[in-house]
Amino acid sequence: GNSVTQMEGPVTLSEEAFLTINCTYTATGYPSLFWYVQYPGEGLQLLLKATKADDKGSNKGFEATYRKETTSFHLEKGSVQVSDSAVYFCALRDNYGQNFVFGPGTRLSVLP
Amino acid sequence: DAMVIQNPRYQVTQFGKPVTLSCSQTLNHNVMYWYQQKSSQAPKLLFHYYDKDFNNEADTPDNFQSRRPNTSFCFLDIRSPGLGDAAMYLCATSRDVVVRETQYFGPGTRLLVL
Repeated sequence: GNSVTQMEGPVTLSEEAFLTINCTYTATGYPSLFWYVQYPGEGLQLLLKATKADDKGSNKGFEATYRKETTSFHLEKGSVQVSDSAVYFCALRDNYGQNFVFGPGTRLSVLP
Repeated sequence: DAMVIQNPRYQVTQFGKPVTLSCSQTLNHNVMYWYQQKSSQAPKLLFHYYDKDFNNEADTPDNFQSRRPNTSFCFLDIRSPGLGDAAMYLCATSRDVVVRETQYFGPGTRLLVL
């Protein structure tokens, strides 16, 4: 079946550090890939998405590129801020479009 | 702004006392989902409606039911809440179920069972 694997957290960084959160997936066909962010006590917010191979999604300084050859969708940001502290979920929507599959989430803490 | 609204944000109920959580949307999306999320784990899909068609996940307990009286509203009913049902409940919508469509989430309702 379809699955999403993320690097285990928590990830703790200093402000202005470079961020990478790894995400790999298993799916048949050509899924769409998403990153969601969840701030404490809140619902999930769409951060970015990519719907086909080699697409790059970007938003608020975050980027991720859909790499079909490595089945990956790693999240990156060049300079994190304290306000980026949250849990990040990688997700896919499979070729049949029925449901989303979420990764386990990665908690990011950014220290001033 | 078009959005997904959940009320209340916090709900306290007693063990075994039925409770209803509500979700409304102004996006006019065809699909509405209910997820259960515990302790910042990944959301777990309970069921979804495509228009009026109800789709239950195989492992969703019978204790959980849902109603969608119209396009805008969807309710989650927990018939006899147990302590293990304390969680964040997330409502989400999607325009359709095709591969490119995004899910949009509400802020969630945190349920506490005493």
